[in-house]
Amino acid sequence: KAGVTQTPRYLIKTRGQQVTLSCSPISGHRSVSWYQQTPGQGLQFLFEYFSETQRNKGNFPGRFSGRQFSNSRSEMNVSTLELGDSALYLCASSLALSRTQTGGYTFGSGTRLTVV
Amino acid sequence: AQSVAQPEDQVNVAEGNPLTVKCTYSVSGNPYLFWYVQYPNRGLQFLLKYITGDNLVKGSYGFEAEFNKSQTSFHLKKPSALVSDSALYFCVARKGGGGNKLTFGTGTQLKVEL
Repeated sequence: KAGVTQTPRYLIKTRGQQVTLSCSPISGHRSVSWYQQTPGQGLQFLFEYFSETQRNKGNFPGRFSGRQFSNSRSEMNVSTLELGDSALYLCASSLALSRTQTGGYTFGSGTRLTVV
Repeated sequence: AQSVAQPEDQVNVAEGNPLTVKCTYSVSGNPYLFWYVQYPNRGLQFLLKYITGDNLVKGSYGFEAEFNKSQTSFHLKKPSALVSDSALYFCVARKGGGGNKLTFGTGTQLKVEL
């Protein structure tokens, strides 16, 4: 079956612009989580969506937002980009039947965002 | 708040020798623990998970991990390392019973040499 698809793979933006990243989970997976990976901070949790509702949120400013559609595809948006937003953004898809789901997480290949 | 520590930034081992990548965690309640591997310019690949049950968990590519509740550790092991095992390894924790927020360790770069 198809894996987790993130688009685009690479993106270059200018400070102050906004950007939207997309994540299509594995068919049937209802939970999508987003992570930011940087050399200095490692992998940090941004937020999780389940059935179109944000269920968890990390410690990121309000410039970072997301949403999930009825087909479980998710988008994240970053407004007013800063140089420090340059990172690899990963999404993870999981089959979440309940809040206590114990399955694994499948990650996409990520979107490499460079802010100049 | 939950946290995961990987005390070694890099581990070097000769091919054919056993390898261990260390991980300790701090998670309230019963944790769910995972190991993922990341190759350059690629996403994270699942190796194994501990949810409950046997303390020794077997995963992909010959890797295994031992859950030790008293020492709050979840070390990754392989009896015989391969050059192709060279990659970045992440120990990951999730609080049992709620949501899908994962906490990652800082990663350990494994280098297997001939």
